[in-house]
Amino acid sequence: EVQLVESGGGLVQPGGSLRLSCAASGFTFSSSWMSWVRQAPGKGLEWVANIKQDGSEQYYVDSVKGRFTISRDNAKNSVYLQMNSLRAEDTAVYFCAKGGGYGSAKWGQGTLVTVSS
Amino acid sequence: QSVLTQPPSVSAAPGQRVTISCSGSSSNIGNNYVSWYQQLPGTAPKLLIYENNKRPSGIPDRFSGSKSGTSATLGITGLQTGDEADYYCGTWDNSLSAGVFGGGTKLTVL
Repeated sequence: EVQLVESGGGLVQPGGSLRLSCAASGFTFSSSWMSWVRQAPGKGLEWVANIKQDGSEQYYVDSVKGRFTISRDNAKNSVYLQMNSLRAEDTAVYFCAKGGGYGSAKWGQGTLVTVSS
Repeated sequence: QSVLTQPPSVSAAPGQRVTISCSGSSSNIGNNYVSWYQQLPGTAPKLLIYENNKRPSGIPDRFSGSKSGTSATLGITGLQTGDEADYYCGTWDNSLSAGVFGGGTKLTVL
């Protein structure tokens, strides 16, 4: 059974940093694109970033370019989202998803990131 | 403002049929597959349709998808109260080199 478990969310001040992790199991992690999708409170889904199987390609939504970095460790079956220079508008539940993110069948339960002073 | 345009809300009676539209452009829907999701409050999105019109295992055939040009449509027949949820379309955008979602449509089963 495919499982994706996010961790690392929490309360952070504006301008601060946070690193999200997603531990995957139940499938061949090294063969799958992985992605992050977020949802601000009461708002719709927003695709954030994805990363190719070997980590050689990453793509980002414009609003996080230069601030967020997606990475993966295939030996640990994990994908990460390093978030720097956080803003209030980054407050959201962050979901990890298997695949590109816009057509993914498997999602984690999400982790809440709150950016506030 | 979302790249893909969905109606904010739709409604229909139990047992009826409803459609939800998703409008885009040649850089996204026009040249890529479209997926559809159902999201119940407080839960992760659930994939209903992928590659425009395919249903994952376990999704009833009451749910269907279609695409024509730069628009896509989700159809739901035999509406049930349990279908009340938010629905999202998603695809890749070649110009943005990014994934994109519609703004979401809230379905009310009257």
